[in-house]
Amino acid sequence: KQEVTQIPAALSVPEGENLVLNCSFTDSAIYNLQWFRQDPGKGLTSLLLIQSSQREQTSGRLNASLDKSSGRSTLYIAASQPGDSATYLCAASGAGSYQLTFGKGTKLSVIP
Amino acid sequence: SAVISQKPSRDICQRGTSLTIQCQVDSQVTMMFWYRQQPGQSLTLIATANQGSEATYESGFVIDKFPISRPNLTFSTLTVSNMSPEDSSIYLCSVDFQPGELFFGEGSRLTVL
Repeated sequence: KQEVTQIPAALSVPEGENLVLNCSFTDSAIYNLQWFRQDPGKGLTSLLLIQSSQREQTSGRLNASLDKSSGRSTLYIAASQPGDSATYLCAASGAGSYQLTFGKGTKLSVIP
Repeated sequence: SAVISQKPSRDICQRGTSLTIQCQVDSQVTMMFWYRQQPGQSLTLIATANQGSEATYESGFVIDKFPISRPNLTFSTLTVSNMSPEDSSIYLCSVDFQPGELFFGEGSRLTVL
């Protein structure tokens, strides 16, 4: 059974800083790994999807990497802005299933 | 992607009552999923809603408590029955247009008093 861990649970950075959010998973035989953003009390917004054959994906100031052998993914946010403040969730599928297992998220606060 | 609309966006309910949450997608999808997010926790899959057949429930979730309808390829409902304060959560509808890539609605925030 896939397990997904995100550390730290919360992170506070000054505006303009580059930052990295971490995600680890136990089953390296994944199909996909997806990063989401969640604003308080709201649904999830898909940020990036990395398929198992890919090493990274980029969208604007966001870059997500995938290292299946070590069971890790990172989400890099460049030049952080107060509007980036949200909880970031990582979700990975497991062997034999496309079903995504979610981590508990990292709550990011970008201080103006 | 698609537009996924959920109603209600939030509600406050009394213990022992039931609430039905609606999910509407602006394009046809084969499978729709219902998740629960309890306060401070991550998402847990409740069930997969299949058009034309009964929903498939995950371990720990039962049809009597969370009946689901899927009358067509763009719509589904989740009912939370006989609610207790422990049911206070955000309930989320999601779809996948390709296996393993999910898109979510805005969620329905339920508070049970």
